[in-house]
Amino acid sequence: GENVEQHPSTLSVQEGDSAVIKCTYSDSASNYFPWYKQELGKGPQLIIDIRSNVGEKKDQRIAVTLNKTAKHFSLHITETQPEDSAVYFCAPRESGGSYIPTFGRGTSLIVHP
Amino acid sequence: KAGVTQTPRYLIKTRGQQVTLSCSPISGHRSVSWYQQTPGQGLQFLFEYFSETQRNKGNFPGRFSGRQFSNSRSEMNVSTLELGDSALYLCASSLGPAQAPGELFFGEGSRLTVL
Repeated sequence: GENVEQHPSTLSVQEGDSAVIKCTYSDSASNYFPWYKQELGKGPQLIIDIRSNVGEKKDQRIAVTLNKTAKHFSLHITETQPEDSAVYFCAPRESGGSYIPTFGRGTSLIVHP
Repeated sequence: KAGVTQTPRYLIKTRGQQVTLSCSPISGHRSVSWYQQTPGQGLQFLFEYFSETQRNKGNFPGRFSGRQFSNSRSEMNVSTLELGDSALYLCASSLGPAQAPGELFFGEGSRLTVL
């Protein structure tokens, strides 16, 4: 099965700073790389995803970069705002075949005003 | 478009009892997957249903079971509850089978407390 490691487990930044969260995976067949945001009392929500044929994707203040050779992908948030405070999860997976999704343990991002 | 609806949102049970949780997916979505979320173990996959068939199952004991109806609504059942079953149970729906890359839409979860 897929082994997924996410770092750091906690990230504290000042408003306006950038934040980077890294996800390392073991299954070289993984070809879909999403990031989910979970706010307190809510379910996770997809914020950005990337497929293996693309190295980087950006959506306003959020970007994801993928290094398939090294088997890791990262979430980048620029100009952080207090509403970015949440827990972020990565969940790399392979399309097709048996589907046993594996989530990272989560990164708690705290943005101080 | 209504999101994924889970009921009940909160419930308290005692050891040995059983519980049934319900999940209504987004209209048109045929895949429903279930997850257990705890502080110690994080988000763990329970099982996935597509077109009323269980496609995959995570590493949970047989006390955890589920089913999906013809309208794609799904239920999960936990029998003989243990204290360690206290968790947030999340369901997610998606358009196609979970093997296909694509967004999972999560509900807000059912928080189960076992006393």
